[in-house]
Amino acid sequence: GQNIDQPTEMTATEGAIVQINCTYQTSGFNGLFWYQQHAGEAPTFLSYNVLDGLEEKGRFSSFLSRSKGYSYLLLKELQMKDSASYLCAVYSNSGYALNFGKGTSLLVTP
Amino acid sequence: DTGVSQNPRHKITKRGQNVTFRCDPISEHNRLYWYRQTLGQGPEFLTYFQNEAQLEKSRLLSDRFSAERPKGSFSTLEIQRTEQGDSAMYLCASSLRAGAVGDTQYFGPGTRLTVL
Repeated sequence: GQNIDQPTEMTATEGAIVQINCTYQTSGFNGLFWYQQHAGEAPTFLSYNVLDGLEEKGRFSSFLSRSKGYSYLLLKELQMKDSASYLCAVYSNSGYALNFGKGTSLLVTP
Repeated sequence: DTGVSQNPRHKITKRGQNVTFRCDPISEHNRLYWYRQTLGQGPEFLTYFQNEAQLEKSRLLSDRFSAERPKGSFSTLEIQRTEQGDSAMYLCASSLRAGAVGDTQYFGPGTRLTVL
């Protein structure tokens, strides 16, 4: 099976930087995704990592270490609209389905 | 509109009734997925289609659940004899396999099912 762990909740201040960690255990690794999900809405794609290192995309960056089974999502210059759940996901052993963590609920305060 | 669409957005039903949900994927996407999400949890995989073929089903998909994608375009998910434990958000996603890794799944807005 697969085990994906993320912190349940985080709070950060508007304008600050926050790092959301994700650890995973999987028998075969084919990539890791980060999605953002606002309350009552669909998950929206943020990033994909398959090789070690940092991928930067505007205010959001995602890092992967395959040897450590570890990823993080870095959000810079936080805005109130960044308050959402952030989901970490890896491919299942079949390579089709995504296995998601429970999500990290981020609250951005003024 | 080029996104994934789902209908209905909300469904309230009584225990024991049958319900059917529809998903229309992004038009050129040949892969379609169904997930279920309950409060405070991430989405859980239910089933996957490549074109009209159902290639994978989760053990979560009991015999009361059936999914089809008859023409390789839209898909339906039917739940027979609904139970209160079926109450959840049912999410559909689609993707286009371009032959490389990183086949991004794009999600629809979901159908929220409440079983009374």
